[in-house]
Amino acid sequence: QVTLKESGPGMLQPSKTLSLTCSFSGFSLSTSGMVVSWIRQPSGKSLEWLAAIDWDGDKYYNPSLKNRLTVSKDTSNTQVFLKITSVDTADTATYFCVRRGTTAYYFEYWGQGVMVTVSS
Amino acid sequence: DIQMTQTPSSMPASLGERVTISCRASQGISNYLNWYQQKPDGTIKPLIYYTSNLQSGVPSRFSGSGSGTDYSLTISSLEPEDFAMYYCQQYDSSPPTFGGGTKLELK
Repeated sequence: QVTLKESGPGMLQPSKTLSLTCSFSGFSLSTSGMVVSWIRQPSGKSLEWLAAIDWDGDKYYNPSLKNRLTVSKDTSNTQVFLKITSVDTADTATYFCVRRGTTAYYFEYWGQGVMVTVSS
Repeated sequence: DIQMTQTPSSMPASLGERVTISCRASQGISNYLNWYQQKPDGTIKPLIYYTSNLQSGVPSRFSGSGSGTDYSLTISSLEPEDFAMYYCQQYDSSPPTFGGGTKLELK
């Protein structure tokens, strides 16, 4: 059974760096074809894809935020991390960790999401 | 980025009704179109992938169709658990982008 769970600081101040962790089970990110993405959703708004990392360690970023994003994984291939630098109020959102499907490019398994508020 | 426009943004409907949600891409996306459902508690699950393929476990009352720039999600007979938000998403080109969402509400 595939599960993903996000964790984060809950609240942080503008200009700080947001660090998020995705802990997952039911698969290994070292398995060929596995890809984990980060997607966020401001309250009452739609979804925005941020970044992804694949089984080979290749990283992909949304160009609109690329300079601020860093995605990484741990050596045990059971956690994925996302850092967003210089946050401001526009980064207030629920952040989802998502595993891509293996038979097609779709977001198959979603975490419950973690809410992050940027406020002074 | 490819822009995805969903219509309508909200839709009042009745139990048992047949409904269709539309999604238009700003350019052709070669059927690389997925649909997702988000429940009021925030839980998101995939419904349809590659335009018309039903995700495992999703009831057959859900179906998808389309081509080029225009796609649709149809629910043949609404059940109580279907009242939720629906999003389309393209993956023809990076970054993958989502539509603005359609809120299906009980009339």
